Amino acid sequence: KAGVTQTPRYLIKTRGQQVTLSCSPISGHRSVSWYQQTPGQGLQFLFEYFSETQRNKGNFPGRFSGRQFSNSRSEMNVSTLELGDSALYLCASSRTANYEQYFGPGTRLTVT
Amino acid sequence: KNEVEQSPQNLTAQEGEFITINCSYSVGISALHWLQQHPGGGIVSLFMLSSGKKKHGRLIATINIQEKHSSLHITASHPRDSAVYICAVKAAGSARQLTFGSGTQLTVLP
Repeated sequence: KAGVTQTPRYLIKTRGQQVTLSCSPISGHRSVSWYQQTPGQGLQFLFEYFSETQRNKGNFPGRFSGRQFSNSRSEMNVSTLELGDSALYLCASSRTANYEQYFGPGTRLTVT
Repeated sequence: KNEVEQSPQNLTAQEGEFITINCSYSVGISALHWLQQHPGGGIVSLFMLSSGKKKHGRLIATINIQEKHSSLHITASHPRDSAVYICAVKAAGSARQLTFGSGTQLTVLP
């Protein structure tokens, strides 16, 4: 069974631009969660989607948004990028919210 | 005070040593996860547990719900075990997101 895939793997953007990251979960997994990892703050929860509905949101500004499609694929969008948004963005999928999560390889975003 | 505290932050061991990493948390939880992250960023879920003990190969995870404490043990450590080990808890109730510890950097020397 294929694992969680994320595209792109690396991305360089400039301040003020927007970016869209994509996550394809393991087949049959309906829950997708997104996380941000930075050297200063560590891993932080962004949001969780299940069956196209956002079930939970972390403490991030409204510039961070996401969605989930009917095939469980998910995207997250960051608008008006700031230097502090430079991070590794990870998504994880699971059968439902209470099952073990499987992480993708991450998208490393650099904002210059 | 962070909701999830890990110790130690850094750990260097000789190959073959028995290793323990600790995790304490302050909230009621529905589950605790142990994750492994190698250089380059990839995260692997090692264990998800809500009570007792789980074993997988040389790895053992235990949790004491009353004391809000979990430990990850590695027996007969090997240089390939070198990684960052992260404890994460899923709070009980409506706030179901994972909250992460700051991680333990483990280096196993040959």
